[in-house]
Amino acid sequence: GEDVEQSLFLSVREGDSSVINCTYTDSSSTYLYWYKQEPGAGLQLLTYIFSNMDMKQDQRLTVLLNKKDKHLSLRIADTQTGDSAIYFCAESMGGGSYIPTFGRGTSLIVHP
Amino acid sequence: KAGVTQTPRYLIKTRGQQVTLSCSPISGHRSVSWYQQTPGQGLQFLFEYFSETQRNKGNFPGRFSGRQFSNSRSEMNVSTLELGDSALYLCASSLEQGEKLFFGSGTQLSVL
Repeated sequence: GEDVEQSLFLSVREGDSSVINCTYTDSSSTYLYWYKQEPGAGLQLLTYIFSNMDMKQDQRLTVLLNKKDKHLSLRIADTQTGDSAIYFCAESMGGGSYIPTFGRGTSLIVHP
Repeated sequence: KAGVTQTPRYLIKTRGQQVTLSCSPISGHRSVSWYQQTPGQGLQFLFEYFSETQRNKGNFPGRFSGRQFSNSRSEMNVSTLELGDSALYLCASSLEQGEKLFFGSGTQLSVL
């Protein structure tokens, strides 16, 4: 089946930029998503990108997509302690009966 | 617009019992998906309902079942509970199948 892989942990200092990386295997992916999960909560959709885009910026968040390498990254500028959470990468084809596949999540720890 | 609502928030059961979890999707959303989240396995897809029909099913035993009502609300049922069923059960709704998922806060099930 399709796989989405992420590193498990990332530790950064407050004010620095964070870059969370993700690789996927399904070349027919149409949508790629980033979700955030805070302790004791469900997943919150942060941003998404269509596969025909290379980059998407949304305030402090920048998503970069390299389709050739099947690599997706999420950059958080000026990382704050409130950004500490688990970040999930997910991919889907969209429409039809295809179910999004999620990575295992990257725990982002922000030090003051 | 209200988000996805899951009840109850916490549940403690013993082995062999059964449990029913409830999910109310965002108004207007017709697709409801269920996921099981555990530290060891990450997010695992259980099933997806669209217009009262189960459209997709993950790789879980028949003890796990679900249904969707005409108002798009959904329930999932787990019979003959096992210790390994202890997990956070997340419900997500989307406008149409395969589109962006919006998650509830989950039901934390503990099986003793």
